[in-house]
Amino acid sequence: GAGVSQSPRYKVAKRGQDVALRCDPISGHVSLFWYQQALGQGPEFLTYFQNEAQLDKSGLPSDRFFAERPEGSVSTLKIQRTQQEDSAVYLCASSFHSGGLNTGELFFGEGSRLTVL
Amino acid sequence: DQQVKQNSPSLSVQEGRISILNCDYTNSMFDYFLWYKKYPAEGPTFLISISSIKDKNEDGRFTVFLNKSAKHLSLHIVPSQPGDSAVYFCAAGSTGGGNKLTFGTGTQLKVEL
Repeated sequence: GAGVSQSPRYKVAKRGQDVALRCDPISGHVSLFWYQQALGQGPEFLTYFQNEAQLDKSGLPSDRFFAERPEGSVSTLKIQRTQQEDSAVYLCASSFHSGGLNTGELFFGEGSRLTVL
Repeated sequence: DQQVKQNSPSLSVQEGRISILNCDYTNSMFDYFLWYKKYPAEGPTFLISISSIKDKNEDGRFTVFLNKSAKHLSLHIVPSQPGDSAVYFCAAGSTGGGNKLTFGTGTQLKVEL
């Protein structure tokens, strides 16, 4: 597709359920990022991939959060045993470049809105 | 600890006038800065960026100014148009600090007719 595609757009989970959020980046983009945006806040960094390598996962809030990009294209963010504080929009972004200012020019998907009841 | 701050949650401007959105940062390691624009139910879209070696960057109606000594940047939109109504996020990154961006909390701009 022409842009970054995320699914599902909306997900309602009961507390304790596992969820999986998918990101399909722009074809050929080397870098892939996951951000979490809580209501009224700016996006917060979760993790970064360069091709299939997860180079930075310092933003993952707990070991319940896991991300993978096994073939260097599609990525999945998995949240185990969801809690109410996990409710947020999860944004995926990709970039052709792999460093510096150019990396900042990210192309974001529309996000997956997770609501944990 | 909010390293990138946008102290004005909202701004209202008349069509045709100048919109000035402000952003302050605390981390002196940041060496590039970006502005993103976000419409409801859409992801943020890149608007304009500036490297710390510059103090100004212009792209059409959009100009970003950087004052490194004050750790302050601003986005000027002139003339403002109704289609500019959106949330604007300031973001900062560090070339030597990985590839993540730190975002501010956003400013909701409303351009009125």
